[in-house]
Amino acid sequence: QVQLVQSGAEVRKPGTSVKVSCKASGYTFTTYSMHWVRQAPGQRLEWMGWINAGDGNTKHSQKFQGRVAITRDTSASTAYMELSSLTSEDTAIYYCARDNGVYDDYWGQGTLVTVSS
Amino acid sequence: QSVLTQPPSASGTPGQRVTISCSGSSSNIGSNYVYWYQQLPGTAPKLLIYRSNQRPSGVPDRFSGSKSGTSASLAISGLRSEDEADYYCAAWDDSLSGRVFGGGTKLTVL
Repeated sequence: QVQLVQSGAEVRKPGTSVKVSCKASGYTFTTYSMHWVRQAPGQRLEWMGWINAGDGNTKHSQKFQGRVAITRDTSASTAYMELSSLTSEDTAIYYCARDNGVYDDYWGQGTLVTVSS
Repeated sequence: QSVLTQPPSASGTPGQRVTISCSGSSSNIGSNYVYWYQQLPGTAPKLLIYRSNQRPSGVPDRFSGSKSGTSASLAISGLRSEDEADYYCAAWDDSLSGRVFGGGTKLTVL
C-alpha cells in the first residue's frame, strides 16, 4: 500500500533553516510528482511547490522563491523540502502529497515546524 | 488574503443538502479545473473532487462538484455528522503560476 511518512516535528530559531523529509513506499517513486503544502495554525492551506520525482524538475510558489528548495533522493525514495530564513510566520504543519498525474491521491501525516526564539 | 474566496462557515442538519461556494477569477477557476478537499480536525486534507466534478474512487456520491465561469461549488447531500469538517477549494492560477487555495469553509452539522 502507498505510504508517505514524514520526518518528525522540528523547532528552529528565526533566521535558520529546516529540512523536512517525505519517505515514499508502496509504489515506484520516480513515476510520480510530489507536492509540498503547508498550513499555519488555524489558517488556510498554502501550496509551496512540487517536484517531478523522475527528472527532478521543480516548480515553486512565487511566494517562496529563493527561500525554498525541493529535492529528492531516488535511491531513498524520499522527497525533501528545505525552507530557509525562517520567521515566526513559517510556523506551520508541512505536508507532502503524491500527484498521480491527475490529482494528489496520498498525503503524508504532516510535520510540525515551530519557529521560536 | 486568499485568491479564492469561500464563505468562512456553513451549516446544516442531518439529511439536508448544503452547498459551499468558491469564487475566483479568469486566471484560476475561469481557465482551470477546481479541486475540493475535506480536512477533519488534526488530519491531512483528503481530496473529494478533482477536475471540477469528478470523484476519486471511495468518495461517496453524496459529494458533487460544479463549475460555472469563475465560480465553483461543492454540494453535500444527505448530510451526516461525520461530514463536519473544513472544506477547501483549490485551482491552478496562470498568473501566479502556482496552485491557490480558498480560505476554507467550516461545516457544522447541527
